[in-house]
Amino acid sequence: GDSVTQMEGPVTLSEEAFLTINCTYTATGYPSLFWYVQYPGEGLQLLLKATKADDKGSNKGFEATYRKETTSFHLEKGSVQVSDSAVYFCALKANQAGTALIFGKGTTLSVSS
Amino acid sequence: KAGVTQTPRYLIKTRGQQVTLSCSPISGHRSVSWYQQTPGQGLQFLFEYFSETQRNKGNFPGRFSGRQFSNSRSEMNVSTLELGDSALYLCASSLEGDGYTFGSGTRLTVV
Repeated sequence: GDSVTQMEGPVTLSEEAFLTINCTYTATGYPSLFWYVQYPGEGLQLLLKATKADDKGSNKGFEATYRKETTSFHLEKGSVQVSDSAVYFCALKANQAGTALIFGKGTTLSVSS
Repeated sequence: KAGVTQTPRYLIKTRGQQVTLSCSPISGHRSVSWYQQTPGQGLQFLFEYFSETQRNKGNFPGRFSGRQFSNSRSEMNVSTLELGDSALYLCASSLEGDGYTFGSGTRLTVV
């Protein structure tokens, strides 16, 4: 079945450092790909998405490119801030009505000043 | 526009009891999905409703059930609660073919 694999955390960085969180997926067909972020005590917020190969999603300085050839959707940010500390989830959804979002296990990011 | 609203935010129940959680989707969204989040299992899909019909169901026992009303609001019910049902329950709504918007969740603690 479809699945998402994320790099294990926690990831600990200093402010202004470069961030990469790796995400690879297994799916038949051409799923849509997502990154969600969860701040302490809150639900999930959609960070960015991509719906087809070579699409680049971007939001708040974060970027991820849908790479069909490597089945990857790595999240990057050039300069992290303390406020970026959160848990990040990679997810996929098959492009069929009624299919569920499938999540990776999440990666905890901690940024110190 | 208002987001996805889940009530209550926190619940404490005793083993063996039942519980009902509520979710009001974004206006115009007809799809509502439910997820269970635990530290050990992560985010697991419970079920999805679309226009009052269950369209998909995850791998959970029959104690977990749900429904959707004509105004797209949804409820999920867990009967005969077990300690392992303690979790954050998240609801998400979506327009068909678009991304999902999640609520803040209901934190259920079973004692």
